[in-house]
Amino acid sequence: KQEVTQIPAALSVPEGENLVLNCSFTDSAIYNLQWFRQDPGKGLTSLLLIQSSQREQTSGRLNASLDKSSGRSTLYIAASQPGDSATYLCAACGNAGNMLTFGGGTRLMVKP
Amino acid sequence: DTEVTQTPKHLVMGMTNKKSLKCEQHMGHRAMYWYKQKAKKPPELMFVYSYEKLSINESVPSRFSPECPNSSLLNLHLHALQPEDSALYLCASSRGDANYQPQHFGDGTRLSIL
Repeated sequence: KQEVTQIPAALSVPEGENLVLNCSFTDSAIYNLQWFRQDPGKGLTSLLLIQSSQREQTSGRLNASLDKSSGRSTLYIAASQPGDSATYLCAACGNAGNMLTFGGGTRLMVKP
Repeated sequence: DTEVTQTPKHLVMGMTNKKSLKCEQHMGHRAMYWYKQKAKKPPELMFVYSYEKLSINESVPSRFSPECPNSSLLNLHLHALQPEDSALYLCASSRGDANYQPQHFGDGTRLSIL
């Protein structure tokens, strides 16, 4: 059974810092890995999706990498802003039916 | 604004009540999902519908009954729920059920069982 772990569970940084969120998964037979953002009391917003054949994806200040062999993905946020404060979730897709297994999330606080 | 609309946003019900959660999308997606999310926990998959047919049931208790009347609409019927069923219920959709297609989430229904 796939298990997904995110470290750290919480992170507080001053505005402007570059930061890295980590995601690890136990079963490397994944089809893709997605990163989501969740604001308090809200649903999930998809940030980046990396197919198993890809090494990284970029969108604006966000860059996600994937190393299937080591079971790791990272989300890099450049020049963090207070508006980036949210919970970031990674999810591995490894079974038929587009089933996602989520990590526990990293709660990010960016202080002005 | 999300393209997946869930109603109601909040629901409080007693353990003997019957209620329904509704999810709607007009993106032409043919796969729809129900997730349950407890506070400070990740979402957990409950059901997957593909082309209006139930394809995955993750051993969910029968007090939760999903229904997909058409390709745009997904319901979750609730009956005789327990206090531990209090959670945020999220609906998602994707173009199909192929593994490379991203899921789009609604804002959820926050359910409280008295």
